[in-house]
Amino acid sequence: DGGITQSPKYLFRKEGQNVTLSCEQNLNHDAMYWYRQDPGQGLRLIYYSQIVNDFQKGDIAEGYSVSREKKESFPLTVTSAQKNPTAFYLCASSRLGVDSYEQYFGPGTRLTVT
Amino acid sequence: GQQLNQSPQSMFIQEGEDVSMNCTSSSIFNTWLWYKQDPGEGPVLLIALYKAGELTSNGRLTAQFGITRKDSFLNISASIPSDVGIYFCAGHNTDKLIFGTGTRLQVFP
Repeated sequence: DGGITQSPKYLFRKEGQNVTLSCEQNLNHDAMYWYRQDPGQGLRLIYYSQIVNDFQKGDIAEGYSVSREKKESFPLTVTSAQKNPTAFYLCASSRLGVDSYEQYFGPGTRLTVT
Repeated sequence: GQQLNQSPQSMFIQEGEDVSMNCTSSSIFNTWLWYKQDPGEGPVLLIALYKAGELTSNGRLTAQFGITRKDSFLNISASIPSDVGIYFCAGHNTDKLIFGTGTRLQVFP
């Protein structure tokens, strides 16, 4: 079955620690995205990548870092510099081209930092 | 970052009723998408619209791409309990999606 996997579903960390969230897709999509969702709010774009070894900042990139060493994988690191890291994190992927606007989402990772 | 305005923010309806929600923007979009999110899950794509004026259906769902390209509408007919969730619109802008604030739908039997 093709799809996007995110692991783990729930993640707990102490303040001051970096944490890496995993995102893998087997849809053969070129583009991948990371979003943050806070309670009662929409999705805000953190980073996105359209090609291996290249990525761009979204609207709220401060305190986050990413890498794109393989087409299938786009891990997100939440660093200790992120002031309010507790949130629901969603990874998405899409093709490039005319229908690249259709992004498909993973199940999400809920990060709690105390 | 920019977000789209969705209304209403929440709706409480009885099973069997029809539902309408909309999304507006100050910017023009070339594509509108509608997603549904269940609690604790990722959004699922429902309908994609690519042309101004386009009307597209997916089962009991119908969505329209506004003529001005600054708005979109989603209708759900004959609602059922599994329609419960948050519905998001999204407009495509250059290489990013801009998401609406969401409409939370509750369906009572």
